[in-house]
Amino acid sequence: QQQVRQSPQSLTVWEGETAILNCSYEDSTFNYFPWYQQFPGEGPALLISIRSVSDKKEDGRFTIFFNKREKKLSLHITDSQPGDSATYFCAASAGGSFNKLTFGAGTRLAVCP
Amino acid sequence: NAGVIQTPRHKVTGKGQEATLWCEPISGHSAVFWYRQTIVQGLEFLTYFRNQAPIDDSGMPKERFSAQMPNQSHSTLKIQSTQPQDSAVYLCASSFPGQKFSNERLFFGHGTKLSVL
Repeated sequence: QQQVRQSPQSLTVWEGETAILNCSYEDSTFNYFPWYQQFPGEGPALLISIRSVSDKKEDGRFTIFFNKREKKLSLHITDSQPGDSATYFCAASAGGSFNKLTFGAGTRLAVCP
Repeated sequence: NAGVIQTPRHKVTGKGQEATLWCEPISGHSAVFWYRQTIVQGLEFLTYFRNQAPIDDSGMPKERFSAQMPNQSHSTLKIQSTQPQDSAVYLCASSFPGQKFSNERLFFGHGTKLSVL
């Protein structure tokens, strides 16, 4: 059973547009949701994260919207740039010390100039 | 700080051979994680260590796979009798138990791409 699901699998937007990446989860004990960004040939790197006590987290052009009742969240990338082209992974954990992250399958984003 | 170092970057083995993958965590990080990444399965958790002790190996295939952390500066993932389906990128990550919640941020290495022919 896939506990963290992402959609779409791939997304193409034009430079300057807003990209919206979706994520949903099954486990109601999950309370920490990081998004990782991965470029080809590199390991994933933390981009932005949110805890379940919040419904929104903003960091520059990146914003997470979180809906606890529906167990859904989304990552919005405003004013998308070609350098944002990467694979984005939604992840979740139940929090606490060293709790392992469960990753979604990822969304491959392409930003066309 | 060089980040998490994984060696080798690429490894090619023949079916049935053994493969050992190395990971050097960031100095001071006391948690080390191993993940496997494939196109089909995505990022799969394998195992993790805290202060060199194995904490959770629930993602490790029961046969042929083993992981160790003999000291705080390196961890190894060993795959015996490699099979084509073991072909993947194996990622090591470390984490620092400093400020509250900071231990949940994983710092990944570049990974080792294993190809089993």
